[in-house]
Amino acid sequence: DAGVIQSPRHEVTEMGQEVTLRCKPISGHDYLFWYRQTMMRGLELLIYFNNNVPIDDSGMPEDRFSAKMPNASFSTLKIQPSEPRDSAVYFCASSPFGAFWSGNTIYFGEGSWLTVV
Amino acid sequence: AQSVAQPEDQVNVAEGNPLTVKCTYSVSGNPYLFWYVQYPNRGLQFLLKYITGDNLVKGSYGFEAEFNKSQTSFHLKKPSALVSDSALYFCAVRLETGANNLFFGTGTRLTVIP
Repeated sequence: DAGVIQSPRHEVTEMGQEVTLRCKPISGHDYLFWYRQTMMRGLELLIYFNNNVPIDDSGMPEDRFSAKMPNASFSTLKIQPSEPRDSAVYFCASSPFGAFWSGNTIYFGEGSWLTVV
Repeated sequence: AQSVAQPEDQVNVAEGNPLTVKCTYSVSGNPYLFWYVQYPNRGLQFLLKYITGDNLVKGSYGFEAEFNKSQTSFHLKKPSALVSDSALYFCAVRLETGANNLFFGTGTRLTVIP
């Protein structure tokens, strides 16, 4: 299996520009997660989906952030407009069904390194 | 509320010596506990997990962790450290029932000194 695939791996953009991060989860996984990692705040869960439906978006920092999952094999995280404080590593992760009682593992992508200047 | 704490930001150990990376948890129900490792400029990789059963869990790369319910701890251990073990280690918890996401600790940077 190819694992969770994220793109772009690195992006540098100017403040005010729109940023779109993309994720392809592992085939057959029912859950998809977006995390953000910064030195100050560590790993934060932004939002997660179950069967393409957003379940919990309470971690999304503000209205500038939005996430979609149009189908089981693709998700996007969009920031519009971007700000320097959005600079972070954004991880996408996926997990198979059955997590409640089997503790199924969450598998992470390699991350998208975002720098907003 | 559920959370994990990693009391040490940094752990240094000499190559060949045993290593321990500490983790304590706080949950209101039965926990599922995980350890992940992050190498520089990489994503998080799963090391091991405790769901139920034997309190000593063995994982990848020779790592193991011991679940201690009375001390609410899940420390990561390895009998003999390698320089290549140097990385950032995260403990995480998920409730047996409830939200289907992992709550991560702040991470511990392990440095193995040659």
